[in-house]
Amino acid sequence: KNEVEQSPQNLTAQEGEFITINCSYSVGISALHWLQQHPGGGIVSLFMLSSGKKKHGRLIATINIQEKHSSLHITASHPRDSAVYICAVRGSSGSRLTFGEGTQLTVNP
Amino acid sequence: GAVVSQHPSRVICKSGTSVKIECRSLDFQATTMFWYRQFPKQSLMLMATSNEGSKATYEQGVEKDKFLINHASLTLSTLTVTSAHPEDSSFYICSARDTPGLGSYNEQFFGPGTRLTVL
Repeated sequence: KNEVEQSPQNLTAQEGEFITINCSYSVGISALHWLQQHPGGGIVSLFMLSSGKKKHGRLIATINIQEKHSSLHITASHPRDSAVYICAVRGSSGSRLTFGEGTQLTVNP
Repeated sequence: GAVVSQHPSRVICKSGTSVKIECRSLDFQATTMFWYRQFPKQSLMLMATSNEGSKATYEQGVEKDKFLINHASLTLSTLTVTSAHPEDSSFYICSARDTPGLGSYNEQFFGPGTRLTVL
């Protein structure tokens, strides 16, 4: 079992739909990252969370430390949101990130 | 947000040659930089962690003599793939963490990646 599990692996939505991507982890963490990787390969850091909730534009990230679970929500999805979304956690004692397998999101017009 | 740049973005080289990839933190000081490689449809795999002024720490299975890492300043780290072979073809991504301090979030920022193709 991976330390970081994401679901779903693939997600197809229609433009305008509300999207949720989930991330569960099995270790104690100091921070959780949500990353976005476009087909060109470059990675953008969307959020870094250690508790609660953060919002940036149409993106919302939440984390429940007790349940070891985080969600990334996209409101009013748009085709330009199509990308791979990656959850990554930094362990309590370590400096490295452990990555989930990623969720491939496709938003159709 | 903070910016990390990589150069070149794409490189094609002949087998046996060496390739150097630069990673720069443009608007912050990065005590720690990370080098990852990514194969198609797979997640990032950490190759090594480098701290400014000291030797890099390599992950198990990563040859330090093949993947030379230099982190000479707080804004620059380089990865040199020596005697490159076709199996080294991959997407290489660097990441930098800002220096903890007043106003710092100790967040990790990623470069745009370098696609290496070895013929």
